[in-house]
Amino acid sequence: AQRVTQPEKLLSVFKGAPVELKCNYSYSGSPELFWYVQYSRQRLQLLLRHISRESIKGFTADLNKGETSFHLKKPFAQEEDSAMYYCALRGMDSNYQLIWGAGTKLIIKP
Amino acid sequence: DGGITQSPKYLFRKEGQNVTLSCEQNLNHDAMYWYRQDPGQGLRLIYYSQIVNDFQKGDIAEGYSVSREKKESFPLTVTSAQKNPTAFYLCASSLRDSVTDTQYFGPGTRLTVL
Repeated sequence: AQRVTQPEKLLSVFKGAPVELKCNYSYSGSPELFWYVQYSRQRLQLLLRHISRESIKGFTADLNKGETSFHLKKPFAQEEDSAMYYCALRGMDSNYQLIWGAGTKLIIKP
Repeated sequence: DGGITQSPKYLFRKEGQNVTLSCEQNLNHDAMYWYRQDPGQGLRLIYYSQIVNDFQKGDIAEGYSVSREKKESFPLTVTSAQKNPTAFYLCASSLRDSVTDTQYFGPGTRLTVL
């Protein structure tokens, strides 16, 4: 079954500390992985995607096919990183539609 | 942020009534999507449309209907057959319906059944 799991509903870290938001997936083929973010009172928006291999706002995510994970990392958290983060995948087996995790609320404490 | 708009922001419905949620985009995108978001869950796809005059059911289409008569508009009707319609509804669009195309989201409509 195709599934995206974000094991942490809530993650709270201090400003300046490293952040890792976990994402595990179950998928038979080779999916594309995405991280979306929703800041307070803003729309859901794309943060980064595996295919671009980019770093956005200091965040990176590495696709680990062996562990079927796509964890989101940032070495030094900032208060403006507080938001809701969603991991999602897309591929042929899902008819190219996004399959979403339940989301992790990240709180950065001053 | 005006690229994709949803109205109304809040909507209240009595049981047994149909209601229509509006979604408009001026991004010249071919593909449009409707998602439902419930607390503690990820987004779930209701319907999507890859091109004008065509649409497909998503994972939870029962009790919903859509139309795509114009490229810029993709209204969602929540019918009385939807047993648990209270939720947050998000509309999205993308240039095409492909693996790599980014989806852009509207601000959402919160529907409450009284």
